[in-house]
Amino acid sequence: DTAVSQTPKYLVTQMGNDKSIKCEQNLGHDTMYWYKQDSKKFLKIMFSYNNKELIINETVPNRFSPKSPDKAHLNLHINSLELGDSAVYFCASSQSGGGPTYEQYFGPGTRLTVT
Amino acid sequence: GENVEQHPSTLSVQEGDSAVIKCTYSDSASNYFPWYKQELGKRPQLIIDIRSNVGEKKDQRIAVTLNKTAKHFSLHITETQPEDSAVYFCAADNDYKLSFGAGTTVTVRA
Repeated sequence: DTAVSQTPKYLVTQMGNDKSIKCEQNLGHDTMYWYKQDSKKFLKIMFSYNNKELIINETVPNRFSPKSPDKAHLNLHINSLELGDSAVYFCASSQSGGGPTYEQYFGPGTRLTVT
Repeated sequence: GENVEQHPSTLSVQEGDSAVIKCTYSDSASNYFPWYKQELGKRPQLIIDIRSNVGEKKDQRIAVTLNKTAKHFSLHITETQPEDSAVYFCAADNDYKLSFGAGTTVTVRA
């Protein structure tokens, strides 16, 4: 009965590899997000989708590509991984209503370590 | 875009004392101000939020105040307990997204 789930929980990989993180929510929300939390705990939004449409695309290297096959899923694919990509990546979801004025529910996070 | 500043970055309090965290924001168009708590190794979770048409909101031991004129808002935790130890983030909405403060690590000493 998990609200927002992510897989995998941990990901250790070498520089230059390509990897994907998957996210699913069963809350019936139509807006989903990807956040990056660095080692200093700073939470920075990367992308947001509303009903499978990309609505927020922050200044993120184009090695990062989100994909939303349906409004319950938002995946993140990362090409040519770099050391600086090491972080915890959180998926989140919320109701929409013209803006993010509703609670965002976060997934458990994926700790990515690039060696 | 929105810029949210949060102070202090760390806060140590004696159990039973109060804790106050302050945030300022830059965009006067922001209307929604949530606070998230993140325990070590866990996901951020909403603990309280306030909208711009309200000056204060309280939920048991936590309260939030908002001053739209000065563009600042604060989190107050009373009668702190060990389980209040966590990182707290303030945020403000802007252009369909939340901008988060840098976080405050709160440690409650027994």
